[in-house]
Amino acid sequence: DIVMTQSPLSLSVTPGEPASISCRSSLSLLHKNGDNYLHWYLQKPGQSPQLLIFLGSNRASGVPDRFSGSGSGTDFTLTISSVEAEDVGIYYCMQALQTPQIAFGPGTKVEIK
Amino acid sequence: EVHLEESGGGLVKPGGSLRLSCAVSGFTFSNYSMNWVRQAPGKGLEWVSSISATGSYIFYADSLKGRFTISRDNAKDSLYLHLTSLRGDDTAVYYCARGRSLDHWGRGTLVTVSS
Repeated sequence: DIVMTQSPLSLSVTPGEPASISCRSSLSLLHKNGDNYLHWYLQKPGQSPQLLIFLGSNRASGVPDRFSGSGSGTDFTLTISSVEAEDVGIYYCMQALQTPQIAFGPGTKVEIK
Repeated sequence: EVHLEESGGGLVKPGGSLRLSCAVSGFTFSNYSMNWVRQAPGKGLEWVSSISATGSYIFYADSLKGRFTISRDNAKDSLYLHLTSLRGDDTAVYYCARGRSLDHWGRGTLVTVSS
């Protein structure tokens, strides 16, 4: 089974400053079609998760462009170019290559200083 | 607008059973695979089960050991999860989510297993 890790597990950021979260997979998530089957979600306090980034680097509909995803294979990064107060919550990466055994990372809690 | 709404959660005794439902609207349900994901109190997300668009392919997390059954009724735009032999560690919010990228989620339904 694929194991997903994230770092850091918590992050305190000053509004307006950038933030980055790393996600690593125990196996490559690069499909032969060239897509990386890695998605990012944000779970805001008291809410259900919402899709932010799909296939490694594609912003979901309605997601602000301050969010970006990068990486390939086993190493991925979610970057927030300028953190806003509404970005607090827990960020999860999820692998979708080795289906059906979907696996989530442990989550990274982002708070505002 | 895409909408998913779970129901059927509640308090159940260890060893008991429960049937969760997920009613959807705003998209052609029969075109999408569907998933159940759960979240224990204060914990992360755990994938539970997935079902293909036609219901022909069904998958479960190994840890469930055959206690849960996923199903769908495309005529009723509904997804189901039948939980049996419930244990305390099944206590969680259960979410339904759409498609291979889990691009839309419901608000979840809480299942509490306690005597």
